[in-house]
Amino acid sequence: KAGVTQTPRYLIKTRGQQVTLSCSPISGHRSVSWYQQTPGQGLQFLFEYFSETQRNKGNFPGRFSGRQFSNSRSEMNVSTLELGDSALYLCASSSPTALNTEAFFGQGTRLTVV
Amino acid sequence: QQQVKQSPQSLIVQKGGISIINCAYENTAFDYFPWYQQFPGKGPALLIAIRPDVSEKKEGRFTISFNKSAKQFSLHIMDSQPGDSATYFCAGVGGSYIPTFGRGTSLIVHP
Repeated sequence: KAGVTQTPRYLIKTRGQQVTLSCSPISGHRSVSWYQQTPGQGLQFLFEYFSETQRNKGNFPGRFSGRQFSNSRSEMNVSTLELGDSALYLCASSSPTALNTEAFFGQGTRLTVV
Repeated sequence: QQQVKQSPQSLIVQKGGISIINCAYENTAFDYFPWYQQFPGKGPALLIAIRPDVSEKKEGRFTISFNKSAKQFSLHIMDSQPGDSATYFCAGVGGSYIPTFGRGTSLIVHP
């Protein structure tokens, strides 16, 4: 069973640009969540998509957006990049039930804003 | 507001020693408490988890102790090995199924 795949693995962007990150979940998983990981703040929840609908949202500005396609693949977009957006962006997929809420993470996309 | 407080931020242990990481939560709606392990260059992976109806869960060298009244839980790694060197995250999960993570503990086990 293939794991969660994130592309690209590394990105370098300039301040003011925009970026799109991609996540392919484990087959059969309909929930995809995005996290920002930084040394100072740890893992911060961005948003979750379930069946193409944003179901939960973290406390990030509107420059951060996402979407999910009918095949459950998800994309995350960051517009007007700032230096502080440099981070590891992680995608996690799950098939949550009351008995099993395990999240499976991809390897992440390392974004550097210069 | 940090809903899951994790300590220590970093931990250095000798091979064979016991590693202990502590977490405290505020949200009483949490009903599932997983620990994730992350190696450099990898995403976090579920290590062990507990529900609040039990006070302890053991899997191999890894044990979670849970104190519901104090709203605290901890991870104990017995006979710590250099291969255990990683970052560990505790989390609380409630009805939304979205984990709220602690800030992580960087564990280094010296040979």
